[in-house]
Amino acid sequence: DQQVKQNSPSLSVQEGRISILNCDYTNSMFDYFLWYKKYPAEGPTFLISISSIKDKNEDGRFTVFLNKSAKHLSLHIVPSQPGDSAVYFCAASDYNTDKLIFGTGTRLQVFP
Amino acid sequence: EAGVAQSPRYKIIEKRQSVAFWCNPISGHATLYWYQQILGQGPKLLIQFQNNGVVDDSQLPKDRFSAERLKGVDSTLKIQPAKLEDSAVYLCASSLATPEKLFFGSGTQLSVL
Repeated sequence: DQQVKQNSPSLSVQEGRISILNCDYTNSMFDYFLWYKKYPAEGPTFLISISSIKDKNEDGRFTVFLNKSAKHLSLHIVPSQPGDSAVYFCAASDYNTDKLIFGTGTRLQVFP
Repeated sequence: EAGVAQSPRYKIIEKRQSVAFWCNPISGHATLYWYQQILGQGPKLLIQFQNNGVVDDSQLPKDRFSAERLKGVDSTLKIQPAKLEDSAVYLCASSLATPEKLFFGSGTQLSVL
């Protein structure tokens, strides 16, 4: 049972354009959402998070949007840079268990 | 600030052998996690410690996997005996508290032949 889904395994975007990564979840108990970025041979690093009481959180070039009714969140990167090329994981936390559930990841490639 | 340290980085063993991984979390982080990441999948939680007590080990295959966190600091994860399907990256992470953001180590890549 995949509670957090990232349906696009890969995304290719030109440098300077917007990258939009999507994530869907099924568990209505999730109340805290995070995005992690992973380079090859490294562990995931925290990028940005959002609480269920908000619908948007912005940090520099990164913005996360949350649509609770649709159980959907997205990560926008503007402008995209070649250094953003990595695998991005969406994760969600259940306030009952505090367990962090990860999606399968989306590989972003930003080309010049 | 030192990050989460893990060793070894790589390990190759034959099936039915045993293997152990070590993790040293960020100083002061009470919560420690072990995740398994199979190629093409997201990290899956194996076990979560709060100080030296187990909070969640519901997805740990207890017939072959064991983990401990002595004195609430370092942790070891052991597999005995290993199976082919245990080939994965084993990630250790720590956090100040839940559900705070997790800080991950670089992982141990295990290949079971």
